[in-house]
Amino acid sequence: DAGVTQSPTHLIKTRGQQVTLRCSPKSGHDTVSWYQQALGQGPQFIFQYYEEEERQRGNFPDRFSGHQFPNYSSELNVNALLLGDSALYLCASSLGPGNTIYFGEGSWLTVV
Amino acid sequence: EDQVTQSPEALRLQEGESSSLNCSYTVSGLRGLFWYRQDPGKGPEFLFTLYSAGEEKEKERLKATLTKKESFLHITAPKPEDSATYLCAFGKGKAAGNKLTFGGGTRVLVKP
Repeated sequence: DAGVTQSPTHLIKTRGQQVTLRCSPKSGHDTVSWYQQALGQGPQFIFQYYEEEERQRGNFPDRFSGHQFPNYSSELNVNALLLGDSALYLCASSLGPGNTIYFGEGSWLTVV
Repeated sequence: EDQVTQSPEALRLQEGESSSLNCSYTVSGLRGLFWYRQDPGKGPEFLFTLYSAGEEKEKERLKATLTKKESFLHITAPKPEDSATYLCAFGKGKAAGNKLTFGGGTRVLVKP
């Protein structure tokens, strides 16, 4: 039973560039959420996708956008990267938008 | 304002030395209190969900309890493999399981 898978695992980008992170949910799950975790802090909710629509959003600027595909996989896009965007980006999935989420291993983004 | 605070920030234990981690919260309309374990460089691993005061759940050497203001994670006779960061989070509203607000975590180190 495949868990949540994310790609890439590590990447380095330059300030001002754009990045796309990808996520495949756990088998049988239809809802995807994205979190940002800075070093030494707890994860912060970015947004949730269900039925290919953004359903909930945290306190993140419009530079952060996403997409969910018909097969439930998802992408997180960040435009105009800032040094402060350096973090571990976590994807989590659940069966339904209100149920317990299960995390992937994350994508480490470093902005230089 | 809804918030969650974890203490202590770090905990050093000898193998077999039982202890408790605290998660204090002020939340209106709490729908669930969640505990996750996170190993360095990895995504959080789901441990427990607690829904109402007085509820308790156990898994191996871990036991989570919930009151109206706090949750405790008790670690009984810990082993070195219990070393990790333990995160608590609350959920509320219809996306209770997905849109989680996390505390800063407690880093636990168990020495043999």
